[in-house]
Amino acid sequence: QQQVKQSPQSLIVQKGGISIINCAYENTAFDYFPWYQQFPGKGPALLIAIRPDVSEKKEGRFTISFNKSAKQFSLHIMDSQPGDSATYFCAAFTQGGSEKLVFGKGMKLTVNP
Amino acid sequence: DAEITQSPRHKITETGRQVTLACHQTWNHNNMFWYRQDLGHGLRLIHYSYGVHDTNKGEVSDGYSVSRSNTEDLPLTLESAASSQTSVYFCASSPGTDGEKLFFGSGTQLSVL
Repeated sequence: QQQVKQSPQSLIVQKGGISIINCAYENTAFDYFPWYQQFPGKGPALLIAIRPDVSEKKEGRFTISFNKSAKQFSLHIMDSQPGDSATYFCAAFTQGGSEKLVFGKGMKLTVNP
Repeated sequence: DAEITQSPRHKITETGRQVTLACHQTWNHNNMFWYRQDLGHGLRLIHYSYGVHDTNKGEVSDGYSVSRSNTEDLPLTLESAASSQTSVYFCASSPGTDGEKLFFGSGTQLSVL
C-alpha cells in the first residue's frame, strides 16, 4: 500500500512556465511534508518542507501548498528554469523516527529552454 | 567539509555472490539509512540505524543486512546477490530521530548478472 501518491510521473514545461507536482496521503498522523530534489547521478537533497499548521510556504521560486482537509500537498515551481530539470520526490513523516519518512515514487521534470 | 560518501559508485557482480556497499559519514550523525531506488518505486527503505550497535529492518530488508560498529559507517551487505537486487542504492544520515533532514550520498549503481 503506497502511503504517499505522487502525480504526474513526468512533466515537460517550457522555460518560464509553472511546474506543479501533486501528492496525496492517507495517514493523518503525518506531520511533516518535505520535498526532495534529485539531479542525475546525485542523491536526493532536501528542497523545501512544510508542517500541517500552515497552508503555504514559499522559498524563492518554490512554493508548497498544503490542504489538510483534502490530505493533499503540492509543489509549485514558478518561472521554471532548465536548471530545475530533476526528479522531485514528495515525502511524509510522523514524529518519532526517520523510519517513518515515506517517499512518493518521484516525478521527472524537464524544463525546455 | 562534512560529507557522506558511498563506495563503490558502480559495481557489477554475479548472482549468488556476497556484496558489501560502503557508507561513511563525517557529520557524526546518530541516524543512518539505506534506500534503494528503482524506476516506478521511488525510494524504499532497506535498513536503518539510530546509533552504534543499533540496526532495524525497513520496508524491503529481505536479502540485506547491516552492522553499525561505529558512528561513521553503515555497510550494507547482500548475502547472496539476486538479479532483483539490481538497483541504485543510497545511503543517508540525519542528526536526530526526528529525521527532518536527510543527507544523501551520491549512490551506488549495482548490477547483478
